[in-house]
Amino acid sequence: GQNIDQPTEMTATEGAIVQINCTYQTSGFNGLFWYQQHAGEAPTFLSYNVLDGLEEKGRFSSFLSRSKGYSYLLLKELQMKDSASYLCAHMRAGSYQLTFGKGTKLSVIP
Amino acid sequence: DAEITQSPRHKITETGRQVTLACHQTWNHNNMFWYRQDLGHGLRLIHYSYGVQDTNKGEVSDGYSVSRSNTEDLPLTLESAASSQTSVYFCASGTSYEQYFGPGTRLTVT
Repeated sequence: GQNIDQPTEMTATEGAIVQINCTYQTSGFNGLFWYQQHAGEAPTFLSYNVLDGLEEKGRFSSFLSRSKGYSYLLLKELQMKDSASYLCAHMRAGSYQLTFGKGTKLSVIP
Repeated sequence: DAEITQSPRHKITETGRQVTLACHQTWNHNNMFWYRQDLGHGLRLIHYSYGVQDTNKGEVSDGYSVSRSNTEDLPLTLESAASSQTSVYFCASGTSYEQYFGPGTRLTVT
């Protein structure tokens, strides 16, 4: 995903809160997706944002600002099992294709 | 429960051979996608389909083809396998607001 940027790696402590940022550039926009991918496994769908604001799902929340081309994934009460890669992807207007960033590898330490 | 499956899960083949990877979904989604995932590149779109008899090229389609004869299946064919096609292949299906991935096929071309 040449037009999606997210940090390559992050480290956070068990029980803490971490925010993973994603910026994107697109000529038309139809939604922002976040996925979790554990090593050696398939990506699993976490969230979808199409309007500005915060969407909360349990310990995970996702935020979108369309005017800024910016999203973040917020993980609260971190657990060791949250160690994974987190993938940001956007869907262009008029299509159902996703363009992915390279992912952020999150390591949760005790 | 609806699901998306891929077979085989692992495949080793020789350069020049034709290989077909299967993808089957029971979500009844019209949209289906094939991605490859390589270190340093993230997920890249190979081909996609928005319905029966519809197929389209993605970002990295050279050397690959797909066919869509029914809603449930989108097989991916490597016409003449090359070492550069060693990768993990993911099939996905979805709508405008969700996209689910299969478990992946690890393909090695020797």
